[in-house]
Amino acid sequence: TQLLEQSPQFLSIQEGENLTVYCNSSSVFSSLQWYRQEPGEGPVLLVTVVTGGEVKKLKRLTFQFGDARKDSSLHITAAQPGDTGLYLCAGVKNSGGSNYKLTFGKGTLLTVNP
Amino acid sequence: DAGITQSPRHKVTETGTPVTLRCHQTENHRYMYWYRQDPGHGLRLIHYSYGVKDTDKGEVSDGYSVSRSKTEDFLLTLESATSSQTSVYFCAIGNTGSPDTQYFGPGTRLTVL
Repeated sequence: TQLLEQSPQFLSIQEGENLTVYCNSSSVFSSLQWYRQEPGEGPVLLVTVVTGGEVKKLKRLTFQFGDARKDSSLHITAAQPGDTGLYLCAGVKNSGGSNYKLTFGKGTLLTVNP
Repeated sequence: DAGITQSPRHKVTETGTPVTLRCHQTENHRYMYWYRQDPGHGLRLIHYSYGVKDTDKGEVSDGYSVSRSKTEDFLLTLESATSSQTSVYFCAIGNTGSPDTQYFGPGTRLTVL
């Protein structure tokens, strides 16, 4: 079983601060995804990074895929209370044909205080 | 939002009773998945389906069975519920065109007493 280690597990910051969440594995993935989950809801896909070294920006969120495609980071600039939620990374592997399986990290629970 | 519904949304049951959770989609997606989410474990795949009547086991399949008789419905059955199966269960769907993209339902919170 491939493991994805996410850190930190919990993060509580003040509005306006910057933060970085890390997702690390010993396995190589075909791509890596970041999800955000709010209480009582299912995870929602934020981004998929595919190429080693790739950087994607989504407003104040910057996602990076490691050169070896084993790790990724999510950086949030000037965090806002609306960023509060559970952030999950998921490694994607092709399990045959067009079937892909996701392996999820345990998540980082982010609280942004006003 | 992808058209995925799960029923029931909440259920409390007793140890030893059978339980069936339903996932219904209106997107005509080929792939359907059942996950469970537990504190300290994240999301773990229970079973998945790659077409009608085609299913396979995931990482934590013991104690669970699934069925898919129609494209739109994927059922998860706990034949004899145990307290260790208390969890939040999520259904997800994916399609051939973008197979690595999964859309998640709202979840079912199951408590086994």
